[in-house]
Amino acid sequence: DIQMTQSPSTLSASVGDRVTITCRASQRIDTWLAWYQQKPGKAPNLLIYKASNLLIGVPSRFSGSRSGTEYTLTISGLQPDDFATYYCQQYFTYWTFGQGTRVEI
Amino acid sequence: QLHLQESGPGLVKPAETLSLRCTVSGVSVTNGNFYWAWIRQSPGKGLEWIGNVYYSGSTYYNPSLKGRVTMSVDRSGNLFSLQIVAVSAPDTAIYYCARVPRGNSFFDQWGQGTQVTVS
Repeated sequence: DIQMTQSPSTLSASVGDRVTITCRASQRIDTWLAWYQQKPGKAPNLLIYKASNLLIGVPSRFSGSRSGTEYTLTISGLQPDDFATYYCQQYFTYWTFGQGTRVEI
Repeated sequence: QLHLQESGPGLVKPAETLSLRCTVSGVSVTNGNFYWAWIRQSPGKGLEWIGNVYYSGSTYYNPSLKGRVTMSVDRSGNLFSLQIVAVSAPDTAIYYCARVPRGNSFFDQWGQGTQVTVS
């Protein structure tokens, strides 16, 4: 099984901040990684696929990158609507999710 | 406009079978460009992929569910289904259905989710 280790589990930030969330894969996943945003009581919502490709309609303040087996979601200029929980998910072998990062005010 | 809607019992007794449906509108489940998936979420295990089904009937299941899972497609109803047998308390979760673009195995559209409690 490919394990996805996401950090931090909770992140406190303010509007306008630049925040970074990291996901480390237990083995190579060759950029087959997606990022999702989830708000309370709602289903996860796809933001980024193939590590760095923004879904159409997702604000450009969201970006994704990769360094080896470490993948990063960056939000440049946090907006009030961005306070939520974020998950990474690999789809190189089967499908596994990270444990989530809650971005709180 | 694509819409996925889960339905089924919210309470299942231990050792019985959990059965859920996902009714799809806005696209045919026989569209060969997509797989259809079930994912669940619980406080203990987080988000867990359960399995995928293709309109042809081919399936991929999470090995951790140890043969307890069956998924199928109902072309006439434009829906797909999930069955988990011999449920126990750890199967308590919010169950989501989702769409998977073929060749890009992320989940691009999700249903709203349905709570299933095993008790």
